[in-house]
Amino acid sequence: EAQVTQNPRYLITVTGKKLTVTCSQNMNHEYMSWYRQDPGLGLRQIYYSMNVEVTDKGDVPEGYKVSRKEKRNFPLILESPSPNQTSLYFCASSLGRGPSSYEQYFGPGTRLTVT
Amino acid sequence: KQEVTQIPAALSVPEGENLVLNCSFTDSAIYNLQWFRQDPGKGLTSLLLIQSSQREQTSGRLNASLDKSSGRSTLYIAASQPGDSATYLCAVRTNTGNQFYFGTGTSLTVIP
Repeated sequence: EAQVTQNPRYLITVTGKKLTVTCSQNMNHEYMSWYRQDPGLGLRQIYYSMNVEVTDKGDVPEGYKVSRKEKRNFPLILESPSPNQTSLYFCASSLGRGPSSYEQYFGPGTRLTVT
Repeated sequence: KQEVTQIPAALSVPEGENLVLNCSFTDSAIYNLQWFRQDPGKGLTSLLLIQSSQREQTSGRLNASLDKSSGRSTLYIAASQPGDSATYLCAVRTNTGNQFYFGTGTSLTVIP
């Protein structure tokens, strides 16, 4: 089954404790992206990657890191989480080529709470 | 910077009614526009993707239109059903980069 998976689905952590949220897709997509969703603000793009070893900042990259060493994986790293990073996080992917190249497919989300 | 607005924020209709959801964007230089639905506690499901060169797309009871010059898109849902209750989001990708911008969504409730 074609899908985007994220782990963990729920995470409660404390300020300053480094964490990684994993994202993997099995559709051979070139484009991958991370978003956070907050009430009243909608989804905002954190980072995106056009292909392996190519990453760019979105609208809200501060406090986050990403890497794209393999095509299928795009982990989101919070080196020193703070309470304002409490949010619902989504990973998405799209083909990156062709007429429908940017039709995005989303993972189920990771609910992160930083205390 | 692209700004995407969806009005109304919430909508409640009786079952069977036809309805229109609105999405507006400030920068008309878009590559495409995509409509999603989001169920509570779930991820986003793609409904329709409209390329910048297209005027509309249809899938079953859903029809999405795009007027790039006026910065507007509408999602028409025919013969609404309780199962259509969800939050509907629109997102645009601009020509100037590879970023996506989302609206804050319209929460739809279809009353049986």
